[in-house]
Amino acid sequence: ETGVTQSPTHLIKTRGQQVTLRCSSQSGHNTVSWYQQALGQGPQFIFQYYREEENGRGNFPPRFSGLQFPNYSSELNVNALELDDSALYLCASSLYGSRSSYEQYFGPGTRLTVT
Amino acid sequence: SQKIEQNSEALNIQEGKTATLTCNYTNYSPAYLQWYRQDPGRGPVFLLLIRENEKEKRKERLKVTFDTTLKQSLFHITASQPADSATYLCALDRNYGQNFVFGPGTRLSVLP
Repeated sequence: ETGVTQSPTHLIKTRGQQVTLRCSSQSGHNTVSWYQQALGQGPQFIFQYYREEENGRGNFPPRFSGLQFPNYSSELNVNALELDDSALYLCASSLYGSRSSYEQYFGPGTRLTVT
Repeated sequence: SQKIEQNSEALNIQEGKTATLTCNYTNYSPAYLQWYRQDPGRGPVFLLLIRENEKEKRKERLKVTFDTTLKQSLFHITASQPADSATYLCALDRNYGQNFVFGPGTRLSVLP
């Protein structure tokens, strides 16, 4: 059973650019959630994808968008990067719909720095 | 407004003692609550889940309680070890798995 993987590990972008982060979910999971974690804070929920559709969204602007693919992997896209977007971006997979689930399994994260 | 608080930013305890971490919330009615451990530079790791109709859950040296009247969860680590040093996060479910809200975390240091 493979765990959640994310790429790249680190990324440096300039303000105004666009970025795409990738996530492969854990084998057997059908749901992917994305979080933004600023230094010293808890993860902030961006959105969740289930069956290739957005299944819930936090308080993030539309320039944060995502995709989920048939193999349940996912992408997070951020347009028009701002300095405040600098953070650790976490992907978490889970099995939605199962009574014993909702446990989230996180990847190691992508550290994004916007200069 | 909705808020999640964890008792303190940092907690130092002596090895062998019981660590007790607190998660308080306002204006939420979560169906369940989760606790995670996060080490520096790594993603959170799931530890325990407790449902609104459960008062207590145990797993090895870990115990979680959930009081929906007080709107509080307590997380205990008994016989603490230096390897338990990490940041512990509580997370509330807002919509049956569709939207999780995390607290700011408590950084636990277990001193030898």
